[in-house]
Amino acid sequence: DQQVKQNSPSLSVQEGRISILNCDYTNSMFDYFLWYKKYPAEGPTFLISISSIKDKNEDGRFTVFLNKSAKHLSLHIVPSQPGDSAVYFCAASDQAGTALIFGKGTTLSVSS
Amino acid sequence: DSGVTQTPKHLITATGQRVTLRCSPRSGDLSVYWYQQSLDQGLQFLIQYYNGEERAKGNILERFSAQQFPDLHSELNLSSLELGDSALYFCASSFRTGLYGYTFGSGTRLTVV
Repeated sequence: DQQVKQNSPSLSVQEGRISILNCDYTNSMFDYFLWYKKYPAEGPTFLISISSIKDKNEDGRFTVFLNKSAKHLSLHIVPSQPGDSAVYFCAASDQAGTALIFGKGTTLSVSS
Repeated sequence: DSGVTQTPKHLITATGQRVTLRCSPRSGDLSVYWYQQSLDQGLQFLIQYYNGEERAKGNILERFSAQQFPDLHSELNLSSLELGDSALYFCASSFRTGLYGYTFGSGTRLTVV
């Protein structure tokens, strides 16, 4: 049973527009939520995170929103750039020190 | 360069064989994690070590084993290989967790023929 789900395998967006990537989870014990970005032939790189006591965290063009009641989080990228084209993974853990559980990823394509 | 080194980058081997994947964590990181990424699958957690001791196990097959050495590098041993073991194997390391995430290596692509 998947505890972290990314139901959209792919997303296409035009340069300059907003990209919204979604993630759902089932485990109400999750405390930490992270987004990773992965380019081909590279390992995933950490992008942004949020703890369960917050509902929003912003870092430059990237904002993560957390809706605990819906067990849903989203990553907003504004404005989107062609260099943002990559696979984005959502991940979660129930406490610091436990292994991250990842979703299957969403491939974002930003066209110029 | 993330600071996490994985070798080899590519490995092709036959069914039934045994291979060893190696990971050197980022300097100062005590935790090492192994993940498997198969086709159309996300990153599946295999096993975690902290300062030489096994901390947690995920979906790791009995044919697979790992260890972390005193110098903190780690090895993942895969034996009696099957076609379905073909995947990308990632190692990650961390000093702090929670909101800080892990640093991943670039992975080892294993192909079993």
